[in-house]
Amino acid sequence: EVQVLESGGGLVQPGGSLRLSCAASGFTFSKHAMNWVRQVPGKGLEWVSIISSGAETTFYADSVKGRFTISRDNSKNTLSLQMNSLRAEDTAIYFCVKASGDYNPRSREFDYWGQGTLVTVSS
Amino acid sequence: IQVTQSPSSLSASVGDRVTITCRASQSISSNLNWYQQKRGKAPQLLIYAASSLQSGVPSRFSGSGSGTDFTLTISSLQPEDFATYYCQQSYSIPLTFGGGTKVEIK
Repeated sequence: EVQVLESGGGLVQPGGSLRLSCAASGFTFSKHAMNWVRQVPGKGLEWVSIISSGAETTFYADSVKGRFTISRDNSKNTLSLQMNSLRAEDTAIYFCVKASGDYNPRSREFDYWGQGTLVTVSS
Repeated sequence: IQVTQSPSSLSASVGDRVTITCRASQSISSNLNWYQQKRGKAPQLLIYAASSLQSGVPSRFSGSGSGTDFTLTISSLQPEDFATYYCQQSYSIPLTFGGGTKVEIK
């Protein structure tokens, strides 16, 4: 059974940092692109970042470029999102999302989603 | 690429045929996916590549379209289908979602 489980959310002050993690199981992690997607509670979905299967390629939404860094460890089946210089508008539920294949050169559909971890940026 | 969904909400009865549309700001071929999200839950993939039914999804869901105009159809609405639906283009970065369509009980 495919599972992706996020952790690391919480309350952080504006300008602060937070690192989200995602533990994956039930599939060959090293063969799939992975993504982070966020959602302000009660609002729509916003794609945040993608990383290719071997971590050669990463992309970011303009809203987080230069502040967030996506990474992965294929030996541990884990995905991470380092979030720096956090702003109030980064407050959202962050989902770890598996793509159905690799990014080569297009993204694939998002076939499995974690339950999300809430990040709140507030003083 | 901007993706515009319509309507933003609709009210329908069990058994109704429901259609949701998604328009891309430029051609995305068939790189369009549909997701269902129930309250408090993560989204789930329904349709990928515009018209392919994800494994395990009931056949009352179908998708069509290519280029810029796409449609999600629920042939006979069931009680468990009341949810919010999102389209998403996977043609180019940044990946973008439509604003969502909330399907409510009439």
